[in-house]
Amino acid sequence: ENVLTQSPGSLSLSPGDGATLSCRASQSVSGNYFAWYVQRPGQTPRLLIHSASSRATGIPDRFSGSGSGTDFTLTISRLEPEDFGVYYCQQYGYPPLTFGGGTRVEMK
Amino acid sequence: EVQLLESEGTLVQPGGSLTLSCAAAGFALKRHGMSWVRQASGKGLEWVSAISLSGDSTYVADSVKGRFTISRDDAKNTLYLQMNSLRADDTARYHCARGVSGWFSYDAFDVWGPGTMVTVSS
Repeated sequence: ENVLTQSPGSLSLSPGDGATLSCRASQSVSGNYFAWYVQRPGQTPRLLIHSASSRATGIPDRFSGSGSGTDFTLTISRLEPEDFGVYYCQQYGYPPLTFGGGTRVEMK
Repeated sequence: EVQLLESEGTLVQPGGSLTLSCAAAGFALKRHGMSWVRQASGKGLEWVSAISLSGDSTYVADSVKGRFTISRDDAKNTLYLQMNSLRADDTARYHCARGVSGWFSYDAFDVWGPGTMVTVSS
């Protein structure tokens, strides 16, 4: 199983701040099949990035994904109030699909 | 509108069985790989099982292997998860989710159902 470790565990930021979230895989992710989601309280996860760097439909360009192999990064250029929540990374290169434990982005 | 809607969850005794269904609207299930993902209260996301576009290939997490079976009825545009030998640690909200690519059996997920709560307790 490809274990995903997210860091930091939490961030306390203000609207307008930038954020950098990291995810490290225990094994290289096949085909860079890697995704990022945000889950707001009481809501289902929303896909932000797939294929490591492709924004999902309707996702604004303040979100960008990068990385390959075992190290991946989600960058948010300017936080909007709706961006606060828990961010999860996911690899889908080969079953079992796995998710990271999450990074909580809280409003300062 | 593209959406997924799971059947109502329930309370089940340990060792019991339950079948979840997920009705798709606005798209054809057979054009996407589909999965079930669960989330225990206050915890993270756990992938449970996936089915290919053709329905010929299925994949399951080790934690449910031999107990859970995923299937699909294209005529009804509905996804299923048959759950047997349920345990307390299967207690979670279960979501069906659509693969984003439209061709990959296991995938990132661009459409999620609201989920259904399954509680395993005596």
